[in-house]
Amino acid sequence: DVKVTQSSRYLVKRTGEKVFLECVQDMDHENMFWYRQDPGLGLRLIYFSYDVKMKEKGDIPEGYSVSREKKERFSLILESASTNQTSMYLCASSARGRGGEQYFGPGTRLTVT
Amino acid sequence: QKEVEQNSGPLSVPEGAIASLNCTYSDRGSQSFFWYRQYSGKSPELIMSIYSNGDKEDGRFTAQLNKASQYVSLLIRDSQPSDSATYLCAVPKGFQKLVFGTGTRLLVSP
Repeated sequence: DVKVTQSSRYLVKRTGEKVFLECVQDMDHENMFWYRQDPGLGLRLIYFSYDVKMKEKGDIPEGYSVSREKKERFSLILESASTNQTSMYLCASSARGRGGEQYFGPGTRLTVT
Repeated sequence: QKEVEQNSGPLSVPEGAIASLNCTYSDRGSQSFFWYRQYSGKSPELIMSIYSNGDKEDGRFTAQLNKASQYVSLLIRDSQPSDSATYLCAVPKGFQKLVFGTGTRLLVSP
């Protein structure tokens, strides 16, 4: 079974803090994704990585950066957290050529106060 | 026009009925389509994929694709309360990414 894990289920941070969200997958997938999910807006892609050290901006990359130093690990960084980044953050992975078959982690509910 | 559109619902059906969930998409070149199910408080999971016009059946689930009309449907036969969830339609964007609809919430009452 594909397993995607995320470092925290719930996180509370203060405005201006630097926040790290980590995601690890154990299926040797080339592709990894970071989404945020908000009521009424659905799932929106923040960043996508198709290989180690390779990344591509998604639809809403502003205020975020990512790091992929190892194939199994994909980190999302909020450089200076703001209240409008309060959201559910979901990581996903997929095999190369099978971008439609994404496997999601359990999500991190981030609250920025 | 949104890339993927779904009625947000909720769609309410009694137990045992057929639930019909619909999705329209804007890119005529799309070749594959995916349905994800998301229970409240959980993450999405892939339940169906369809690549060609017509129907694809998997247990109680049937995906229907009509490329000419640019819609894809998910039928759930003999609906159960455990099917109550939000169903997300997804269409490829580029080579490896997906764009998701905002989902339709399904409520199956006993």
